[in-house]
Amino acid sequence: KQEVTQIPAALSVPEGENLVLNCSFTDSAIYNLQWFRQDPGKGLTSLLLIQSSQREQTSGRLNASLDKSSGRSTLYIAASQPGDSATYLCAVREQGETSGSRLTFGEGTQLTVNP
Amino acid sequence: AAGVIQSPRHLIKEKRETATLKCYPIPRHDTVYWYQQGPGQDPQFLISFYEKMQSDKGSIPDRFSAQQFSDYHSELNMSSLELGDSALYFCASSLRDRGIRRAFFGQGTRLTVV
Repeated sequence: KQEVTQIPAALSVPEGENLVLNCSFTDSAIYNLQWFRQDPGKGLTSLLLIQSSQREQTSGRLNASLDKSSGRSTLYIAASQPGDSATYLCAVREQGETSGSRLTFGEGTQLTVNP
Repeated sequence: AAGVIQSPRHLIKEKRETATLKCYPIPRHDTVYWYQQGPGQDPQFLISFYEKMQSDKGSIPDRFSAQQFSDYHSELNMSSLELGDSALYFCASSLRDRGIRRAFFGQGTRLTVV
């Protein structure tokens, strides 16, 4: 059974810092990995998606990397801003996706960026 | 761009009552998923439908059932509600586009059982 772990559970940084969020998964046979952002009580916004054949994806100040063999992904946020404060979730989609395989989520990292 | 629509956004029910949550996926998306997120927890997969057929089943209680209709909207029916069913229920949809399947989530339905 796939298990996804995120470290740290919470992170508080001053504005402007670069930071790294970590995600690890137990079964490396994944189809892709997605990073989401969730604001308190709100829905999930997809940030980046990395296919299993890719090593990294970038969008603005965000960069996500994937090391499938070691079961790890990182989300790098450059020049953090107070508006980045949210919970960040990583989720893996297992192989055999054609019939709509599930996403397995980590527990998230709660990020607070202080002005 | 159209997103995943869920209704209602908030729902309050009493114990042992029944609730029906609705999800309208993004047009042309072929897969719908339901997730349950308890307070302070990560989303847990309940069930999914691919082209209107149940494709995967997770930790969905027997008291819950779901289906996808001919117009691709989906409903999650929850009976004999318990206090522990209070959670945020997400629907997501996806489509395989150029070899990539990305999930898009709705805003969720917050169910409170009192």
